[in-house]
Amino acid sequence: GQQVMQIPQYQHVQEGEDFTTYCNSSTTLSNIQWYKQRPGGHPVFLIQLVKSGEVKKQKRLTFQFGEAKKNSSLHITATQTTDVGTYFCAGPSGSARQLTFGSGTQLTVLP
Amino acid sequence: DAEITQSPRHKITETGRQVTLACHQTWNHNNMFWYRQDLGHGLRLIHYSYGVQDTNKGEVSDGYSVSRSNTEDLPLTLESAASSQTSVYFCASSDPREKNIQYFGAGTRLSVL
Repeated sequence: GQQVMQIPQYQHVQEGEDFTTYCNSSTTLSNIQWYKQRPGGHPVFLIQLVKSGEVKKQKRLTFQFGEAKKNSSLHITATQTTDVGTYFCAGPSGSARQLTFGSGTQLTVLP
Repeated sequence: DAEITQSPRHKITETGRQVTLACHQTWNHNNMFWYRQDLGHGLRLIHYSYGVQDTNKGEVSDGYSVSRSNTEDLPLTLESAASSQTSVYFCASSDPREKNIQYFGAGTRLSVL
């Protein structure tokens, strides 16, 4: 079945440093979604990318969808303590109404 | 405002007992999902439903069951709780009209002793 892999599993950064997490799918995706889960919280939708090569920005967060639509990345510029949490990518699977989640990247920001 | 609620938020039970976790959404979404989250495993799909009377097994369905008698609710039942089912459980809902974006409940932390 479809697999979605994310690296790194953990990342510790000093506040103000940049952070990137990478997502790779074993199959071509029609779209990719990104979620954030704060410590003790639940996953919350951030963004969906649909087009090959698409780049979207949300303030300090930049999301990219690969040309082959099999990989994606999330880059955070100048991390803040509010960025702490686990970031998940997810791609459609099954009938496309399901999502297969990556294992997530847990970000710690040191003040 | 529409929402998705899970209850209880915390549950401690004993091995062998039947446990039911509730999930209720007011989004009027057709799709509902149950996941478990364990360290190092991310979110793993247990069961899902695409509408009333429809239920399907996910990748880790053994020992769990669901039923969908209305649009709003998808209760998850552990038939005979095992220590391996100690986990955090999340319910989510989505709809194709909203690009299948999933909205998650706050989660239920279950401990099986």
